[in-house]
Amino acid sequence: QSALTQPRSVSGSPGQSITIPCTGTSSDVGGSNYVSWYQQHPGKAPKVLISEVNKRPSGVPDRFSASKSGNTASLTISGLQAEDEADYYCCSTAGFHIYAFGTGTQVTVL
Amino acid sequence: EVQLVESGGGLVQPGGSLRLSCSASGFTFRSYWMTWVRQAPGKGLEWVANINPDGGDTYYLDSVKGRFAISRDNAKNSLYLQMNSLRPDDTAVYFCARFGLTAALDCWGQGNLVTVSS
Repeated sequence: QSALTQPRSVSGSPGQSITIPCTGTSSDVGGSNYVSWYQQHPGKAPKVLISEVNKRPSGVPDRFSASKSGNTASLTISGLQAEDEADYYCCSTAGFHIYAFGTGTQVTVL
Repeated sequence: EVQLVESGGGLVQPGGSLRLSCSASGFTFRSYWMTWVRQAPGKGLEWVANINPDGGDTYYLDSVKGRFAISRDNAKNSLYLQMNSLRPDDTAVYFCARFGLTAALDCWGQGNLVTVSS
């Protein structure tokens, strides 16, 4: 039950696009159809952005998109906005009803 | 409105016990898988435990297996986490959350701080 690997921080200017990778193994990300992404602002509970690798729940702006290739999942934020400054976490199944989160990425809007 | 409200956190000495509660409202609680997730101060999210809708199946993070027990009372729309043999590295904000139909955590409680210290 190891954490998935994310970069500690990513930054971009307003309007730019950024991508956050989430690297695991064939036992988790690579073998899972249940990769999700969460946004967390300081002092708040996380909020789901993406489910099932690339599905966006209703209410989530279409600036957020995601994909997976091999053992790496990725979250892309297009048209970066000031309110996107937050921490982002990936999450994947890592066994039968076992889950692992990513190490988290702090996004800074320059 | 779908809502989860946690209670029961606080300060406990190493080796002590604490029970967290999570009260659900606004949805059919007995139909959903539920989970506990924790976040140590300044650190990332860590999955702790899952429970199926009828409470008959539970799953745990290796480091809490044998010390923590997740349970639920569907008649009371409540989720619980019994934490025994607590260690300083269990210090964290504990969130309860609901697994939605797409196996993502689509509703979260506000979080409850548990501090293990002498």
